[in-house]
Amino acid sequence: EPEVTQTPSHQVTQMGQEVILRCVPISNHLYFYWYRQILGQKVEFLVSFYNNEISEKSEIFDDQFSVERPDGSNFTLKIRSTKLEDSAMYFCASSALYEQYFGPGTRLTVT
Amino acid sequence: AQTVTQSQPEMSVQEAETVTLSCTYDTSESNYYLFWYKQPPSRQMILVIRQEAYKQQNATENRFSVNFQKAAKSFSLKISDSQLGDTAMYFCAFMKLDTGANSKLTFGKGITLSVRP
Repeated sequence: EPEVTQTPSHQVTQMGQEVILRCVPISNHLYFYWYRQILGQKVEFLVSFYNNEISEKSEIFDDQFSVERPDGSNFTLKIRSTKLEDSAMYFCASSALYEQYFGPGTRLTVT
Repeated sequence: AQTVTQSQPEMSVQEAETVTLSCTYDTSESNYYLFWYKQPPSRQMILVIRQEAYKQQNATENRFSVNFQKAAKSFSLKISDSQLGDTAMYFCAFMKLDTGANSKLTFGKGITLSVRP
């Protein structure tokens, strides 16, 4: 069964460094998303992406964040200058229509 | 804005018994979907079940079923014949449809379900 994959599973970085989180959505899906979950809290929407454009973004998704689909398979989330409060689990999701399928997540730890 | 409320932080059930997880939501939208996602200790988010707001019939997927009360804005999940593998965090989620298929999910805080052997 096709699934969303994410790499790395765990990333440790120092405050102020840039990180790129990678996702490979399900191959026939057209809609892509990033969510994050700070430990012990609810899952929060960051951004949605369709047809090589951002469709919607939350107030969390400020100028430090960017997304890209550099080729036909990868979907990336870049954080330009990480802050301590960016420490969280980051989930990529994709959908063909309304059902979003999530990857296993990347745990980002900012020290 | 939409809000999703899961007021029970934790529940416990004996293996093979039935448990119901509660969820309420608030919206002025008329066209939306509701979902339940499961997050086991591995932390992967797994889609359990989906309900379209325009459908009166409650969705069912094997041992999982929902009780959707649109007027009351209530969307509970019933798990029958609970299994040890059902131990997980369960999130209720809302999706409005006015922006089409690329709509975001709004999640509740989740409920931790423990299935006792």
